[in-house]
Amino acid sequence: SYELTQPPSVSVSPGQTARITCSGDALPKQYAHWYQQKPGQAPVLVIYKDTERPSGIPERFSGSSSGTTVTLTISGVPAEDEADYYCQSADSSGDLVFGGGTKLTVL
Amino acid sequence: EVQLVESGGGLIQPGGSLRLSCAASGFTVSSNYVSWVRQAPGKGLEWVSDIYPGGGTYYADSVKGRFAISRDTSKNILYLQMNSLRAEDTAVYFCARGRYQRLSEASPVYYMDVWGKGTTVTVSS
Repeated sequence: SYELTQPPSVSVSPGQTARITCSGDALPKQYAHWYQQKPGQAPVLVIYKDTERPSGIPERFSGSSSGTTVTLTISGVPAEDEADYYCQSADSSGDLVFGGGTKLTVL
Repeated sequence: EVQLVESGGGLIQPGGSLRLSCAASGFTVSSNYVSWVRQAPGKGLEWVSDIYPGGGTYYADSVKGRFAISRDTSKNILYLQMNSLRAEDTAVYFCARGRYQRLSEASPVYYMDVWGKGTTVTVSS
């Protein structure tokens, strides 16, 4: 298994662009996925396979990958996107790993 | 509509056992990948276990030998049998449908596209 590292917190003003990073040595070889979790709720998949957006997820959510870092970008952030965001991947044996999570605050 | 509903959580003493259930609708548990993920109070998400369509089961090191994942195909229910429970197993337990691809030997792709609301397990004396 390996580790995925996320910043504990990111702050942004409404309407600005939020970028949340996730770093891991295996990410050049492994896809990453992103989940949004609001307080008291289940996680929701917002990006899969680095850049793919599930149906029903707003276009303001996008993902990118470069080397050992993947990035979740939220453009024109509304207050409702304030939540915890987790990246997730799998190691070569199939064990799943989550990043520690990033609390996005919309000031 | 694809839906997952967990049940079976509660307060249990250290060393005790508990079985969680996850009732699926809108898809067949036996022909899909399904996972358990937990979240300790105030903490992040932690993968617990998977079961694959062929019956293969996988566990995080933290629960290996104590937890067992299984499914009842006639009822379309996923289970998590938890034995020798410890205080550190206290968490909300979510079940989730997995999506899997094996792009190469070193590159499995596994993500979870539908989640249940979770059931709370508290291990305390």
